[in-house]
Amino acid sequence: GQQVMQIPQYQHVQEGEDFTTYCNSSTTLSNIQWYKQRPGGHPVFLIQLVKSGEVKKQKRLTFQFGEAKKNSSLHITATQTTDVGTYFCAAMDSNYQLIWGAGTKLIIKP
Amino acid sequence: EAQVTQNPRYLITVTGKKLTVTCSQNMNHEYMSWYRQDPGLGLRQIYYSMNVEVTDKGDVPEGYKVSRKEKRNFPLILESPSPNQTSLYFCASSSFPPSPGGQPQHFGDGTRLSIL
Repeated sequence: GQQVMQIPQYQHVQEGEDFTTYCNSSTTLSNIQWYKQRPGGHPVFLIQLVKSGEVKKQKRLTFQFGEAKKNSSLHITATQTTDVGTYFCAAMDSNYQLIWGAGTKLIIKP
Repeated sequence: EAQVTQNPRYLITVTGKKLTVTCSQNMNHEYMSWYRQDPGLGLRQIYYSMNVEVTDKGDVPEGYKVSRKEKRNFPLILESPSPNQTSLYFCASSSFPPSPGGQPQHFGDGTRLSIL
């Protein structure tokens, strides 16, 4: 079945440094969604991308969908302590099942 | 307030004792799902439902049952729980059919199950 690979599993950054997580699929995706899960919390929807090459911004967060619609990225500029958590991508397959990346945990070094 | 409510939030039980985790949403959503979350494995879909009386297996359905008799409720049943079902469980809902852009999933607060 369809799989979405997400890397890295963890990323340690100093506050103020940038952070990026990537999702890749071997098949073309109709859309991709991004979620954030704070420690001890539940996943919260951030954004969805639909169009080839689409770029969307939310303040310091930039989301991209690849031209071939097989990959996507989330980039955070100048991380803050409030950005700590795990970021997930998710895509819906042709059977309406949501396929999730394994998540990237953002850790801010003290 | 729009929400997905799961109960219980925490449960410690023993192998073989049937249990049900309830999930209810007040957003009139057609699509509902159950996930389990284990360290390093992300979110794995157990079952999903596109509407009343329509359910489908996700990636890890073994040992679980679900039912969708009403639109708002989607209980998860463990008929004979085993220790490998110790996990954090999330219920989620969204509207359906998914548009080309998909529909945002709304998650409950989670249920932490420990099976001894």
